[in-house]
Amino acid sequence: DSGVTQTPKHLITATGQRVTLRCSPRSGDLSVYWYQQSLDQGLQFLIQYYNGEERAKGNILERFSAQQFPDLHSELNLSSLELGDSALYFCASSAEPGQFYEKLFFGSGTQLSVL
Amino acid sequence: AQRVTQPEKLLSVFKGAPVELKCNYSYSGSPELFWYVQYSRQRLQLLLRHISRESIKGFTADLNKGETSFHLKKPFAQEEDSAMYYCARIRMDSSYKLIFGSGTRLLVRP
Repeated sequence: DSGVTQTPKHLITATGQRVTLRCSPRSGDLSVYWYQQSLDQGLQFLIQYYNGEERAKGNILERFSAQQFPDLHSELNLSSLELGDSALYFCASSAEPGQFYEKLFFGSGTQLSVL
Repeated sequence: AQRVTQPEKLLSVFKGAPVELKCNYSYSGSPELFWYVQYSRQRLQLLLRHISRESIKGFTADLNKGETSFHLKKPFAQEEDSAMYYCARIRMDSSYKLIFGSGTRLLVRP
């Protein structure tokens, strides 16, 4: 167990809908990362937060947004969902963002299916 | 752009055979590179990082700046090595992020 918790494990919804994915980092980790894993795109970096503030942005669509709360948990909001948004969404946390020895601890992911 | 390329989607070998999972990176001076592994029904986890020059589960990876490669190697593959392997690098531009390659699925046959 990595200590990173993601809920829900599975989510099935329809096109046009909005969903929220939740992530609780390891105790003491200030940095949270969101990744999208799909069969054709591999593991794509979406966004990173550090201690409540956005630190880095990747290939995140404008329909997607995220935030990190004072208790350090993070939520990824996906809106106006399309079929192509179906993927496994991973959250990861680390204690040492920006360091060359950075080690990410991953959650088990949320499988999103858009029908 | 600072990229990581894994040219093989699937690598199939027999148990006991040598394994080499390829990873190439776009040049950027002194990259920081990692290998992550995802076993079936398990979380993605760090396997090794080049800065540590370590050997984990018999795997090693050497940074070759001349060839801009960081291939993952193991002399004798085991069935339990079957997994998805991702090469990753630190990407520094206007911000800092860990970028992954597209992954290679290793299948070790008995």
